[in-house]
Amino acid sequence: DGGITQSPKYLFRKEGQNVTLSCEQNLNHDAMYWYRQDPGQGLRLIYYSQIVNDFQKGDIAEGYSVSREKKESFPLTVTSAQKNPTAFYLCASRESSYNEQFFGPGTRLTVL
Amino acid sequence: AQRVTQPEKLLSVFKGAPVELKCNYSYSGSPELFWYVQYSRQRLQLLLRHISRESIKGFTADLNKGETSFHLKKPFAQEEDSAMYYCALSGTSGTYKYIFGTGTRLKVLA
Repeated sequence: DGGITQSPKYLFRKEGQNVTLSCEQNLNHDAMYWYRQDPGQGLRLIYYSQIVNDFQKGDIAEGYSVSREKKESFPLTVTSAQKNPTAFYLCASRESSYNEQFFGPGTRLTVL
Repeated sequence: AQRVTQPEKLLSVFKGAPVELKCNYSYSGSPELFWYVQYSRQRLQLLLRHISRESIKGFTADLNKGETSFHLKKPFAQEEDSAMYYCALSGTSGTYKYIFGTGTRLKVLA
């Protein structure tokens, strides 16, 4: 089964803990993205990476960190500095020829 | 400021009625415009892009650079069109950073 996978589907975290969300793709796409989806606010860009070992902050990067050590993987760490981490997180990759984004199924993070 | 605005959070229409989901944008340069759709329990997926100038599932969208709009239209709504629709834009060179609107939920009533 090809495409983008995210794990876990649901994640619970206690306040003060860091947590890492996984995103993997086997589409051979260079660019990958992390979005946060909140009701009424649409998708907001957290971080994006256009190539391995390079990434840029999006519009709401504070309290988040990423790495891009492999083309296939773009994990997102939600740190304890993120003041309101409870949200639905979407990962995407970009097909360069048609400038189309392919999305994963998402991870719902709940901070208890 | 670079922005995508979708003024309607919810749009309800009856089956067979015309549909228009509004999208306005603000961008310095020539962006590429998209409509993405999220059906219930499915992933967010591309519906159409302005460059393709095609009709997908009966939907069309025309880029109006003068009015900076990219409204999505369908002449006769179907129940299966009920979904969340997002308008988005990206640059066309260099950094492909995307900006999404807040989304419009379309409900097609029987």
